[in-house]
Amino acid sequence: KNQVEQSPQSLIILEGKNCTLQCNYTVSPFSNLRWYKQDTGRGPVSLTIMTFSENTKSNGRYTATLDADTKQSSLHITASQLSDSASYICVVSPFGNKLTFGTGTQLKVEL
Amino acid sequence: DADVTQTPRNRITKTGKRIMLECSQTKGHDRMYWYRQDPGLGLRLIYYSFDVKDINKGEISDGYSVSRQAQAKFSLSLESAIPNQTALYFCATSDPGQGRTGELFFGEGSRLTVL
Repeated sequence: KNQVEQSPQSLIILEGKNCTLQCNYTVSPFSNLRWYKQDTGRGPVSLTIMTFSENTKSNGRYTATLDADTKQSSLHITASQLSDSASYICVVSPFGNKLTFGTGTQLKVEL
Repeated sequence: DADVTQTPRNRITKTGKRIMLECSQTKGHDRMYWYRQDPGLGLRLIYYSFDVKDINKGEISDGYSVSRQAQAKFSLSLESAIPNQTALYFCATSDPGQGRTGELFFGEGSRLTVL
């Protein structure tokens, strides 16, 4: 069974600090891996997409990395802001199969 | 206005009642989906439709049914609601032109509570 596991489950950081969220997957091979941001009470919104051959992708203060050898992806947030408080979901798209969602990391940024 | 609109946003109902959640989209996408989100679990696919005449079961379709009334409308029904169907439900769309890299565009969710 394809699995996507995310860590930590929740995280609290101070505004201005950096943080890194992890995604470990067993799906292989896969077409692409996306990170979504889900604000409280809203639907998820795509942040980044990487194909299996890409190592890194940036979107402003968000940088996603992918290591196909270890089957790990990370999402690094630089200079965090209060608006970064949200759930971050890792989604893997296997070839020929349905999307596999991680359970998410709940991030809270405090003053 | 949101590109993907879900109604109602919140609903409280009783066991055994019939419930319909509606979704409409202005993105012009052919593909539409219904997902369920529970605390501690990832989003799980209930049903999906790639075309007006196309309906497919997802991984957790038991107890649910859907109707694709038009390209822009996709509704989810619970014929006889039960408490373990209490969850946050999301409608989503995607563009088949993006192939396997297709991004999902989600509505803002419908929170359903079954007492």
